[in-house]
Amino acid sequence: SYVLTQPPSVSVAPGQTARITCGGNNIGTKSVHWYQQKPGQAPVLVVYDDSDRPSGIPERFSGSNSGNTATLTISWVEAGDEADYYCQVWDSSRYLFGGGTKLTVL
Amino acid sequence: QVTLKESGPALVKPTQTLTLTCTFSGFSLSTSGMRVTWIRQPPGKALEWLARIDWDDDKFYSTSLKTRLTISKDTSKNQVVLTMTNMDPVDTATYYCARGSYGDYMDYWGQGTLVTVSS
Repeated sequence: SYVLTQPPSVSVAPGQTARITCGGNNIGTKSVHWYQQKPGQAPVLVVYDDSDRPSGIPERFSGSNSGNTATLTISWVEAGDEADYYCQVWDSSRYLFGGGTKLTVL
Repeated sequence: QVTLKESGPALVKPTQTLTLTCTFSGFSLSTSGMRVTWIRQPPGKALEWLARIDWDDDKFYSTSLKTRLTISKDTSKNQVVLTMTNMDPVDTATYYCARGSYGDYMDYWGQGTLVTVSS
């Protein structure tokens, strides 16, 4: 069965760039979506279809997808970006989520 | 304005059946392309997809849980109901409903409801 692999944690200083990866076999052939979840809150869609942003999501959030890795990039990281991030795909008539990455802003 | 809200019991006993209702507004599940999905999240753990129902009544279930799940909709009430049988303490989680449209992603989420399974 298809598996999405994310690093458990990523740390970055304010103002720097955070890159969160999502690995999967030929994931570049699928549409990847990313969600941000802050403690005690519901997830929020931040990137869909690999690289599109919903309205209201800052341009600092961007995505890419190629080969076996999709990447969520957060530029000019702010303290408020500290959260768990999940990637998601639709495969074989089911949704799949990655295990999540905790972004820590140092 | 799209909103979704989950409702149901906060506590269920092992072996009981859980029934959760998602009541939504701002869209219609009779509109082509609309979908409602259930996702859960055990405390401190990752998101897990459970089931989806589409505007045309197509239904999809998690492979590992499909024998225990039933999803249905009441378009006139703007509600989607999820039932999960034979509840176990490992099913303790926050249960979310979310909206999807033509894309295979969830663009609006409910606030979630915590369900604890304990005797």
